[in-house]
Amino acid sequence: GEDVEQSLFLSVREGDSSVINCTYTDSSSTYLYWYKQEPGAGLQLLTYIFSNMDMKQDQRLTVLLNKKDKHLSLRIADTQTGDSAIYFCAESTEDYKLSFGAGTTVTVRA
Amino acid sequence: EPEVTQTPSHQVTQMGQEVILRCVPISNHLYFYWYRQILGQKVEFLVSFYNNEISEKSEIFDDQFSVERPDGSNFTLKIRSTKLEDSAMYFCASSEAGPRGELFFGEGSRLTVL
Repeated sequence: GEDVEQSLFLSVREGDSSVINCTYTDSSSTYLYWYKQEPGAGLQLLTYIFSNMDMKQDQRLTVLLNKKDKHLSLRIADTQTGDSAIYFCAESTEDYKLSFGAGTTVTVRA
Repeated sequence: EPEVTQTPSHQVTQMGQEVILRCVPISNHLYFYWYRQILGQKVEFLVSFYNNEISEKSEIFDDQFSVERPDGSNFTLKIRSTKLEDSAMYFCASSEAGPRGELFFGEGSRLTVL
């Protein structure tokens, strides 16, 4: 079965980089995702990476995938107060069913 | 930018009542999903729907739950007789068939069962 684990909390100073880590168990995962959830809001897709990629960069976001260790990370450069949210790692297989981690609450302090 | 819309944003109901949550997926998408998030817990998969039938469902999706695509635009989740433990945020999602793998979520419908 699928199991996705994340650390629950991260506190970072404004302007620093944030790194959120995730591990997953299903080696047949095809896509791995990062979603952002602001208080009271839905799930916003931030970025995703296909399982045959090692890295993907999109503006301030960098995703690193270590498929051997089943480890995914999201780096947010120059973290801003608007980046305060819960970040969910998720994995999927061919049918696009997602298994989510519990979410990492990122708090950006001035 | 196209988006998935859900109604109502919040519904309060009595235990044992029927509830219908509505979703309008993105118009050219072919795969539709319901997920739920009990407060403080993980987002959990409920059901996926493709070609007018359920393609996969989780063990949470028991006989009390049903989904329907009554017309070309709406996708509904019905809970026949709500229980206290059905209180959660319910997210609808849709995706376009293809390799890009993007799943777009709605803002969610918060269901409170008293």
